[in-house]
Amino acid sequence: DAKTTQPPSMDCAEGRAANLPCNHSTISGNEYVYWYRQIHSQGPQYIIHGLKNNETNEMASLIITEDRKSSTLILPHATLRDTAVYYCIVGVRNQFYFGTGTSLTVIP
Amino acid sequence: ETGVTQSPTHLIKTRGQQVTLRCSSQSGHNTVSWYQQALGQGPQFIFQYYREEENGRGNFPPRFSGLQFPNYSSELNVNALELDDSALYLCASSLVVENTEAFFGQGTRLTVV
Repeated sequence: DAKTTQPPSMDCAEGRAANLPCNHSTISGNEYVYWYRQIHSQGPQYIIHGLKNNETNEMASLIITEDRKSSTLILPHATLRDTAVYYCIVGVRNQFYFGTGTSLTVIP
Repeated sequence: ETGVTQSPTHLIKTRGQQVTLRCSSQSGHNTVSWYQQALGQGPQFIFQYYREEENGRGNFPPRFSGLQFPNYSSELNVNALELDDSALYLCASSLVVENTEAFFGQGTRLTVV
């Protein structure tokens, strides 16, 4: 079963930062936080993952709280192509239990 | 493109039949996981194969089975199809079984009538 809670939907203005929150209060010590996104019915696309330190790559930044019970995915400059369902997943060994995600709509 | 290919892209089967779905993992990836995604839901973990052995299983009945071959490609077999098996079936491959990024294919859309 999914171990994360996300808001069902969010809007973001094009060019602004999109901050997507995720709660994972029951996360275990060896579990990672992953973010994937899915556009329409395509396969999910990897965005970023981390254990306890903040992470940044060319797509996004991941901020994990010190107690690891929540995290935030930051898309620094949202574009229309970032409109998708974003999944926050807690797991190990690449075995993912997805929730229903956050549907992000980027508005022109 | 992720380098993970699935076939076929679409499939229609009759209730009670059996189906085999195929996944070719990204080059060098030795771990393949399968997921079922019903309409409007997030993907649900079916099972994972690592070096030709099942390495974890979600809450799916035994009529869902799989194989991984020496070249790390994989099959998902579903027996005695039910209407509720209609879904998008996704496979994901990763370089190792540990906590790395996984790459998903575009899925097979199965419709059971």
